[in-house]
Amino acid sequence: GQQLNQSPQSMFIQEGEDVSMNCTSSSIFNTWLWYKQDPGEGPVLLIALYKAGELTSNGRLTAQFGITRKDSFLNISASIPSDVGIYFCAGPNSGGYQKVTFGTGTKLQVIP
Amino acid sequence: SQTIHQWPATLVQPVGSPLSLECTVEGTSNPNLYWYRQAAGRGLQLLFYSVGIGQISSEVPQNLSASRPQDRQFILSSKKLLLSDSGFYLCAWKQGNNSPLHFGNGTRLTVT
Repeated sequence: GQQLNQSPQSMFIQEGEDVSMNCTSSSIFNTWLWYKQDPGEGPVLLIALYKAGELTSNGRLTAQFGITRKDSFLNISASIPSDVGIYFCAGPNSGGYQKVTFGTGTKLQVIP
Repeated sequence: SQTIHQWPATLVQPVGSPLSLECTVEGTSNPNLYWYRQAAGRGLQLLFYSVGIGQISSEVPQNLSASRPQDRQFILSSKKLLLSDSGFYLCAWKQGNNSPLHFGNGTRLTVT
């Protein structure tokens, strides 16, 4: 099946720093979704991307749909302690849009 | 607006006991419904999804089953729990092929 690889797997950053993470796939995706999961809770949708090359912002978060349609990037500017959590990329499988595959996750720790 | 409810929030069950986790969605009709499992500190594994009443697709052969007795109700069951069934179970819904998934708050299951 389709796999989504995220990097880095985890990162420690200082409060106020910018953060970049990415997600790559071996196959083409038509939609890219970015989620954040706080400990003990369900993932919450941050940004949805529907078009190759699309760049979308949500507050301090910016995500891009890669031109090749095989990758996506999430940037967080001026990190704050509440940015701590696990960030997942996801996308519906091209073989059947009902199924949504999730990436391996990037665990973010922010040092105050 | 749409809401998703999942219960219980936590559950401790002995090995060999049955399981029933319930998920309901409000404010929408004919949603796609999903059960995911998340092992500690890891990604989300799709277990089952349903595109309509009585229609269940299983992604991973295992000790669990799912049912959709009503349009907005999705149930995850087991006749006899195994230790390996422990994990964080997440219910989710989406409307239409290319729309994002929306998650419940999850059930933490510990099999002892």
